[in-house]
Amino acid sequence: GAVVSQHPSWVICKSGTSVKIECRSLDFQATTMFWYRQFPKQSLMLMATSNEGSKATYEQGVEKDKFLINHASLTLSTLTVTSAHPEDSSFYICSPRLETSTSEQYFGPGTRLTVT
Amino acid sequence: GNSVTQMEGPVTLSEEAFLTINCTYTATGYPSLFWYVQYPGEGLQLLLKATKADDKGSNKGFEATYRKETTSFHLEKGSVQVSDSAVYFCALRKSGGSNYKLTFGKGTLLTVNP
Repeated sequence: GAVVSQHPSWVICKSGTSVKIECRSLDFQATTMFWYRQFPKQSLMLMATSNEGSKATYEQGVEKDKFLINHASLTLSTLTVTSAHPEDSSFYICSPRLETSTSEQYFGPGTRLTVT
Repeated sequence: GNSVTQMEGPVTLSEEAFLTINCTYTATGYPSLFWYVQYPGEGLQLLLKATKADDKGSNKGFEATYRKETTSFHLEKGSVQVSDSAVYFCALRKSGGSNYKLTFGKGTLLTVNP
């Protein structure tokens, strides 16, 4: 299967600071990137979808100015949580997708963000 | 809208026991159905899938059958192993168009004891 990495795997930050999470598809080119958020014992909730070189499309209720997504290359996408607050503490998972008719969606191992 | 409901865990079994994790869905049309597995410290991996009614997905001894009449996609395995301990997610993808969004259930933690 495809290899997807996320960095960092765990981060603690103070309230009001910004945190950048990187997602890399190591052995394929991802034309589409999905970013999910997962609360404890809850489903993965889709936050936004981005295509390489285009602006991200955010799901209803997700603040685009708070969760900045950059998908500048086919192997790297970043999610920046700006002015983080304790309620942003969560598990963030990226999911790159190769654009073929039978393409499978792959998932990163996730980043646990704790805002104090 | 689309939704997925799967049985709440945790589920604890002894090795070689029979496993069933129930999953039902709500969706318009004919969605594709998936089971993903997440081993500790790793990303979600596709376990199996089915794209139309009565299809059976299978992999690594796991099976699930797409039942449109009961809107279900229950996961089964006849004899679990300790290495099957993981979180299992049922998911659906709406059919048609260019929308590849997945809708997930809450996940079920399975622990298999030796």
